[in-house]
Amino acid sequence: ETGVTQSPTHLIKTRGQQVTLRCSSQSGHNTVSWYQQALGQGPQFIFQYYREEENGRGNFPPRFSGLQFPNYSSELNVNALELDDSALYLCASSSTMNTEAFFGQGTRLTVV
Amino acid sequence: DQQVKQNSPSLSVQEGRISILNCDYTNSMFDYFLWYKKYPAEGPTFLISISSIKDKNEDGRFTVFLNKSAKHLSLHIVPSQPGDSAVYFCAASANFGNEKLTFGTGTRLTIIP
Repeated sequence: ETGVTQSPTHLIKTRGQQVTLRCSSQSGHNTVSWYQQALGQGPQFIFQYYREEENGRGNFPPRFSGLQFPNYSSELNVNALELDDSALYLCASSSTMNTEAFFGQGTRLTVV
Repeated sequence: DQQVKQNSPSLSVQEGRISILNCDYTNSMFDYFLWYKKYPAEGPTFLISISSIKDKNEDGRFTVFLNKSAKHLSLHIVPSQPGDSAVYFCAASANFGNEKLTFGTGTRLTIIP
């Protein structure tokens, strides 16, 4: 059973640019959630995808968008990057049979 | 508005003793609570959970207690081991089975050998 994997692990972008982060969910999991963890804070829910449809969104602006693919992998896209977008972005997968979400190792995004 | 609060940013405990991590919440719609452990450069790892229909759940050295009237939960680790040194996050969700978690800010636990 493969775990949740995220790519890339680190990324540096310039303010105003766009970024795409990727997540492969754990085998058998059909739900993917994305979280943003700023330094010294707990993870904050961005949105969740279930069977390729957005299934809930946290308090993040529309320039944060996502996709889920038929194989349940997912992308997080952020447009018009701001300095405050610098954070660890975590992907978590789960199935409708389980309540625990399993996290990937995260992508550390730095916006300069 | 911080709906899940971990008021102790750090905690140091002697190896072999009990570690007690605390968490408070304000949203009465939360009905499922989880603890995650995080090492540097890794994602959070699920540790233990409890639903609102219970007041205690135990798994090996880890026990979670839930006091719904006080909107408070705690994680007990006994005996504490050096490998337990990590950041611990309390998380909550509304609608059991919903994985949209609200996290606290974490408590850094250091086990002193």
